[in-house]
Amino acid sequence: RKEVEQDPGPFNVPEGATVAFNCTYSNSASQSFFWYRQDCRKEPKLLMSVYSSGNEDGRFTAQLNRASQYISLLIRDSKLSDSATYLCVVPSTHRGGSYIPTFGRGTSLIVHP
Amino acid sequence: DGGITQSPKYLFRKEGQNVTLSCEQNLNHDAMYWYRQDPGQGLRLIYYSQIVNDFQKGDIAEGYSVSREKKESFPLTVTSAQKNPTAFYLCASSIAGDGQETQYFGPGTRLLVL
Repeated sequence: RKEVEQDPGPFNVPEGATVAFNCTYSNSASQSFFWYRQDCRKEPKLLMSVYSSGNEDGRFTAQLNRASQYISLLIRDSKLSDSATYLCVVPSTHRGGSYIPTFGRGTSLIVHP
Repeated sequence: DGGITQSPKYLFRKEGQNVTLSCEQNLNHDAMYWYRQDPGQGLRLIYYSQIVNDFQKGDIAEGYSVSREKKESFPLTVTSAQKNPTAFYLCASSIAGDGQETQYFGPGTRLLVL
């Protein structure tokens, strides 16, 4: 099982739709989780961090399911400006015992009029 | 303004040439990272440094070298041994190097081989 897995999509949704992405991880010891947004040809930027069961920020909700080892990102009332790639990040153990942020490949979202 | 800067924005490399990508941060972060991103792919870790004067290989370190002589600087050299260097290179930093902290990214450098 890969350390961090995401459905690459693309998810193609109309404006106003609700869309959800899942991210599964293999390191059960991970304590914090992140969703980043990356626009085309730009650097990733933090969207949300998740330290307990979940987090909510406006139209965006992240939920953590430790038993099943996945985190989800829910976007309500999608806007055209939400079109981007969403990257899931989970700290994973690297050689030497350090925890290193491990990125999923990202899920592409396209919101159309 | 605090942040991370990377230069140059675009870099062209000739065959057999070493090139160095700059990464500077004024966030007073201990940890710094270099990632490579190929089209349609996720970020792959090249090198990371959790403290000054120390750095560790990531998953794809072959053909790359780094130094961390100052807290705010973490330059990446792409050597001639890296046979397929064309990619988008991203530098990031975080407060601590325990993997549990938010990372902040620079704007990236696009490296192209002539």
